[in-house]
Amino acid sequence: DAKTTQPPSMDCAEGRAANLPCNHSTISGNEYVYWYRQIHSQGPQYIIHGLKNNETNEMASLIITEDRKSSTLILPHATLRDTAVYYCIVRVEGGGTSYGKLTFGQGTILTVHP
Amino acid sequence: DAGVTQSPTHLIKTRGQHVTLRCSPISGHKSVSWYQQVLGQGPQFIFQYYEKEERGRGNFPDRFSARQFPNYSSELNVNALLLGDSALYLCASSIVGGITEAFFGQGTRLTVV
Repeated sequence: DAKTTQPPSMDCAEGRAANLPCNHSTISGNEYVYWYRQIHSQGPQYIIHGLKNNETNEMASLIITEDRKSSTLILPHATLRDTAVYYCIVRVEGGGTSYGKLTFGQGTILTVHP
Repeated sequence: DAGVTQSPTHLIKTRGQHVTLRCSPISGHKSVSWYQQVLGQGPQFIFQYYEKEERGRGNFPDRFSARQFPNYSSELNVNALLLGDSALYLCASSIVGGITEAFFGQGTRLTVV
C-alpha cells in the first residue's frame, strides 16, 4: 500500500470548515484513499473513501486531485466533537482477502476550538 | 444492530502470563482483523481472518496467535507477555466482497506489569 504524509496537527474554529490534507504521491491506479478518525480512547471510525472522483457523505467531503497524488478531507462545519486524530490511508480494493489490512500512519491531530 | 464488541474492556496481566482477547463482529460480517495500538502511535495490523482462515499477518512474533470461529467471532491470544505488549487491542470487522469499510470495536486496554 502507498505511503501517506499528513501534517501532525491542525487547529480549526468551531463552525468553520476543517480542511485536512494528505499526500500520497506514490499511489497506484487501483488504490483507494480512505479516511478514518479516532476520538480519544475509542476505536477508529470510518469517514469516507474514494478512487478518483470527489465524494461526499453526511460526515465529510473528499477531494482528490486529478493526478491522485494528494487529497483533502473537508469537514464543512466543524464541531468540538470533531476533535480527533484523522488518518489518511491508501489501499488496494478488490478480492476477498484484501480488506483486513489498514496501514495507519501518525495521522493529523485536529483540535476544534470554541 | 450491535456494533463490534470486544471483551474484556480492560485487563491487567503480569509478565510471562498468557492473555485471550475476544471479538464479536457485526452481524453478517465475515472478516475480522486485529490491531495493536501503542500509546501515541497509529494502530498496527496483527491479523486478518476470513472464513476461519488466516488471510493476513503483520510483523508480530509467534507469541501472537488468533482464530476465528464458525459464528465469525474471533480470539486473539498472546503468550509470554512482555511489558511492551501493553497496548490497546482493536478488533475490526468488515463484509468481504465489493468496496467496503472496516468497523472497529472500542478495544481492550491491556496493561502488562
